Amino acid sequence: DQQVKQNSPSLSVQEGRISILNCDYTNSMFDYFLWYKKYPAEGPTFLISISSIKDKNEDGRFTVFLNKSAKHLSLHIVPSQPGDSAVYFCAARAFYGGSQGNLIFGKGTKLSVKP
Amino acid sequence: DGGITQSPKYLFRKEGQNVTLSCEQNLNHDAMYWYRQDPGQGLRLIYYSQIVNDFQKGDIAEGYSVSREKKESFPLTVTSAQKNPTAFYLCASSAGHTQYFGPGTRLTVL
Repeated sequence: DQQVKQNSPSLSVQEGRISILNCDYTNSMFDYFLWYKKYPAEGPTFLISISSIKDKNEDGRFTVFLNKSAKHLSLHIVPSQPGDSAVYFCAARAFYGGSQGNLIFGKGTKLSVKP
Repeated sequence: DGGITQSPKYLFRKEGQNVTLSCEQNLNHDAMYWYRQDPGQGLRLIYYSQIVNDFQKGDIAEGYSVSREKKESFPLTVTSAQKNPTAFYLCASSAGHTQYFGPGTRLTVL
């Protein structure tokens, strides 16, 4: 049973517009969420993260929003650039009884930004 | 220049042979991880190590083995018992919430 779901396998956006990537989770014990960007045949690169005590975190063109009641987070990229074309993975970590669990990854969303 | 290195980038092996993938980090991170990525799939955890001389199985450990004799190194052996070894293998390390990944090794078993 997937605990972290990225229901859109792909997304196409025009350069300069906003890209919104979505992620849903089922485990209420998740307390930390991360987004990674991955190019083909390369390792994922950490983009941005958010703790469950916050509802928004911003870093340059990237903003992550967390809606705990809906168990939903989203990554906004504004403005989108062709170099943003990659696969984006959502990941979550739980905190159990004083120790951190491992990261659970979604299956990824392939973003294509067209010039 | 701190980071995680994996070698080689591409690796070919004949079916039935064991193969060891290298992972080295100079970030002074205690925890290290091995993941596998298949097409259209997320990252699945094979093994992880929170400290030297200790490691635990992840979600898909069957057919794999690891060692953690040094803080900097966490090699992964893909044994002949692994049914579908052809995949992209990723090593990561962390010192807190965030994991940082190496460039990956593409293993192809012929």
